[in-house]
Amino acid sequence: SAVISQKPSRDICQRGTSLTIQCQVDSQVTMMFWYRQQPGQSLTLIATANQGSEATYESGFVIDKFPISRPNLTFSTLTVSNMSPEDSSIYLCSVEDPREPQYFGPGTRLLVL
Amino acid sequence: AQTVTQSQPEMSVQEAETVTLSCTYDTSESDYYLFWYKQPPSRQMILVIRQEAYKQQNATENRFSVNFQKAAKSFSLKISDSQLGDAAMYFCAYPMEYGNKLVFGAGTILRVKS
Repeated sequence: SAVISQKPSRDICQRGTSLTIQCQVDSQVTMMFWYRQQPGQSLTLIATANQGSEATYESGFVIDKFPISRPNLTFSTLTVSNMSPEDSSIYLCSVEDPREPQYFGPGTRLLVL
Repeated sequence: AQTVTQSQPEMSVQEAETVTLSCTYDTSESDYYLFWYKQPPSRQMILVIRQEAYKQQNATENRFSVNFQKAAKSFSLKISDSQLGDAAMYFCAYPMEYGNKLVFGAGTILRVKS
């Protein structure tokens, strides 16, 4: 299985600022995903990030708020822009290759004050 | 729309006993995967087991097994000989499209009593 790391592991931010979360994989993968897990809730998919194309966002998520980069097959970033306390969540990246299940990074715990 | 339902918000089991977590889903596809993930307090999502819908045999991984009822669209997880380390949130998940876009159930908190 792929080994996935995320930076930062946690952060406390002020409202109105932005935070960029990095996701690094130890092997080349086709698809990368970004999920949000609000406190006490399940995971919700934010967007799918494929290398060489624009990210595909799910209903309720927009590029201006959550811009995503995917510069190569082992790396992706998610930015949470103009943060508010409602953005306090755990953000997880996951990766998948054909015929393999999704594996998740350790998550980034974000608190917005 | 595909949905995944976990009707048990919380379950408790005595150490060394067996517990079953339930999951139902809704899909019109015939070939798909189903997954159980475990999320301990560390928040790391760990794949527990997966089931391929076209396989009639229930998947097994050591103490973890599934009871897959395709016609009933039911996918329950059985944990045998429960251990303290099994305490976690368990999520059932189904891909909206083949291999993509996992949809997660609401989760079941499993508590293991010593």
